Formats: sequence, structure tokens, C-alpha cells
Amino acid sequence: EIVLTQSPDTLSLSPGERATLSCRASQSVSSNYLAWYQQKPGQAPRLLIYAASSRATDIPDRFSGSGSGTDFTLTISRLEPEDFALYYCQQYNSSPETFGGGTKVEIK
Amino acid sequence: QVRLQESGPGLVKPSETLSLTCTVSDDSMDNYYWSWIRQAPGKGLELIGYIYYSGRTKYNPSLEKRITISVDTAKGQFSLRLSSVTAADSAVYYCATFSPTRAFNIWGRGTMVTVSS
Repeated sequence: EIVLTQSPDTLSLSPGERATLSCRASQSVSSNYLAWYQQKPGQAPRLLIYAASSRATDIPDRFSGSGSGTDFTLTISRLEPEDFALYYCQQYNSSPETFGGGTKVEIK
Repeated sequence: QVRLQESGPGLVKPSETLSLTCTVSDDSMDNYYWSWIRQAPGKGLELIGYIYYSGRTKYNPSLEKRITISVDTAKGQFSLRLSSVTAADSAVYYCATFSPTRAFNIWGRGTMVTVSS
């Protein structure tokens, strides 16, 4: 199975700053079938990005995804207070579909 | 827009079978694959498996000996059965839609299941 490694584990930033989250796959993710999710405490994950760079419905344009092959990035251009949360990447090209371990974006 | 709601017992005894149902509203069941994902307390996300409306299933190899996912399109529901549970199966269980091109795009709120005697 494809193992996804997210870094860093925790990102400490202030509102208004730029956040850059990394997701590295143990083998190439074909068709860029890589997604990003946001999860807040006590809530279900919410799809932010699919196909590496396509924003899901109603997701603000401050969220963007990039990358291909084995290296992918989620960028939040200017952090809003509601963006401090956990973020997971996930590949859905190869079965079983697997998730990364998550990156926590916390207020500095 | 599809809405999903999990239901089932919140407490299951060790060695017994965990059974959950996800009720689908506001859409036809032939548009997606229907999936189960779980999250142990303080841990990450783990796909359990998914089913198409036709009944075709795909299970996580790490769990497939113990799981059965079924669908009842007439009732607008799909279900999970996980047998021989242990404390390691205690988790929040989510149902979600899965699209081969758009990943897990709609999620239920999740239901906590604790395995304890």
C-alpha cells in the first residue's frame, strides 16, 4: 500500500501568515489522485482539495493544492482564525486508499 | 446535496459484532461508492471499505476477514458489520461518499463506538 508522510507534524503560525503543508508518498500517485481534508475537534473531516489541485465545493480560494508524483503541497495563503485545525492528505489512486498522519496548524 | 447519518450501538462487547447503518438522504444511491472510515481516539483516519450500489465491494486488506459492507438502495441505507471486535476497534466511525475522481467528498457526522465489557 502507498504510505503518505505528512510534514511537519505541527505548524505554529499567526493569523494572516502563509501555511505550507507537505505530503510525500512512498510511490507515485498516478493521475494525481491526492486529496486534502480539514478536521476540527469533534467534527468530521471536510474535503478541501481533490485531484491534487482542484478545490471542493465552497472552499475559499486561499486554499490551494499543488504537486505531482510523490510530492504534494497544501498552501493556505493567509490564515484565518477558522483555519487552525488538523489537515490530512489522502491518496485514492491505489487500493487501499490511505491517509497521511496529519499536520496540526496551531495558533502561535 | 447528499446528507449522511450514522446509527447504531455506542457500546459493543469484546468478541461480538459491531453493526452500523448509514442513512442517505436527498439523492440516488447510484451516484457514488458508499464508504466507511474510522478514527480511533487521538489517531488518524483509516478506510474500512466501500460498496457500489450494485453491491460490488472493496475492503481494506487489514480488516477484510472481519468486515461486511452491504447496501439496501430501496431503504437508502448501507451498513457495516465488523466481527470479533476488540478494544482496538473503539473509534469514531464515519460513513462517507466516495468518488473515484473526487475522493471522499461528503461525510456523516460520525458515531463513537466503544468496545468494552
